[in-house]
Amino acid sequence: GENVEQHPSTLSVQEGDSAVIKCTYSDSASNYFPWYKQELGKRPQLIIDIRSNVGEKKDQRIAVTLNKTAKHFSLHITETQPEDSAVYFCAASIGYSTLTFGKGTMLLVSP
Amino acid sequence: DGGITQSPKYLFRKEGQNVTLSCEQNLNHDAMYWYRQDPGQGLRLIYYSQIVNDFQKGDIAEGYSVSREKKESFPLTVTSAQKNPTAFYLCASSSGSFTDTQYFGPGTRLTVL
Repeated sequence: GENVEQHPSTLSVQEGDSAVIKCTYSDSASNYFPWYKQELGKRPQLIIDIRSNVGEKKDQRIAVTLNKTAKHFSLHITETQPEDSAVYFCAASIGYSTLTFGKGTMLLVSP
Repeated sequence: DGGITQSPKYLFRKEGQNVTLSCEQNLNHDAMYWYRQDPGQGLRLIYYSQIVNDFQKGDIAEGYSVSREKKESFPLTVTSAQKNPTAFYLCASSSGSFTDTQYFGPGTRLTVL
């Protein structure tokens, strides 16, 4: 089955810096890659997703890039703010099959 | 965040007891899912259902059971056969396939005493 590796497990940045979280996947047939943000004690919420026919997608301060050849995709957050502090999960799926999640990255943004 | 609810928020169980976690959605979604979240382990799929009266095992189904008698409801039973049931359980729903956005409920934290 699909395997998703996520790095780093913890990321500390200063407010205003950029943050990058990277995920690799094992199955080249995967074609859907969502990113979820989970604040402490709350539910995961989708923040951005990308499909395999697109190389990059942006939404304000958040962007996701996909490299199908290398089988990795990354989340980029620019101008980080304290409210960006949370655990971020990447996931991958193959068509109509199950989502496989990475183990998460705890992002800490210091004022 | 509204539209998918879970109850109770906290649940305590003695060893050897079965317990049922509730998940309800009013989003008219066809698909519903149960995940287990442990510290440092991400989200792992327990069971999923894409239509009423049908469900499939996920990656860690052993010791769990589900039913899908109504479109709106997808209860999860944690049985005494689950060896390590203490965890945070998340229910999710989507309009159809796994490539549709999954919306999560607030979760139930189960502790076995």
